[in-house]
Amino acid sequence: QKEVEQNSGPLSVPEGAIASLNCTYSDRGSQSFFWYRQYSGKSPELIMFIYSNGDKEDGRFTAQLNKASQYVSLLIRDSQPSDSATYLCAVRGSGNTPLVFGKGTRLSVIA
Amino acid sequence: ETGVTQTPRHLVMGMTNKKSLKCEQHLGHNAMYWYKQSAKKPLELMFVYSLEERVENNSVPSRFSPECPNSSHLFLHLHTLQPEDSALYLCASSQGLAGSGETQYFGPGTRLLVL
Repeated sequence: QKEVEQNSGPLSVPEGAIASLNCTYSDRGSQSFFWYRQYSGKSPELIMFIYSNGDKEDGRFTAQLNKASQYVSLLIRDSQPSDSATYLCAVRGSGNTPLVFGKGTRLSVIA
Repeated sequence: ETGVTQTPRHLVMGMTNKKSLKCEQHLGHNAMYWYKQSAKKPLELMFVYSLEERVENNSVPSRFSPECPNSSHLFLHLHTLQPEDSALYLCASSQGLAGSGETQYFGPGTRLLVL
């Protein structure tokens, strides 16, 4: 059973701080890693994806991947109240397999 | 707007009713998916279609029946549902099933309540 684990939170950070969201996965052969943001009552929207070890930056968002330790993280710099949402980690294993989602981490940015 | 639309957005049905959910994608994608999202649970993959052929049936009860008449449309036919089937049903599409650069785009979902 391929699993993706996330701390459900809530993770509370003050406005302007760095929010760090973590995700671990069980399938060592996993190839692709995605972060989705889901506002309450809305469908998920893709924020970032990463395939290679290391960091990938896009604006205020940085995804970090460590395949040896089987974790992927999302950093949000200069957090804003509008970043308050549930962040879903999704992992694609080896081969032609659909994404496996974690339960999500609820982030609350306090003004 | 992600290019994936779903209708209806909200649905209330009794356990003896038959209804259908519709998904349409305007992105020229080849793969479409049905997901179920219940409170406090991860997204659950239900069905995957690639080039109109079902490639994944994730142990879904037979009271859910998918149909993919062409690469742009996906239906989920519902009959004799149970109250525990109440959830948000999300449709998604992607260019392909796997490979670099392939990502999923989600529709707005159908909020289903089974009484």
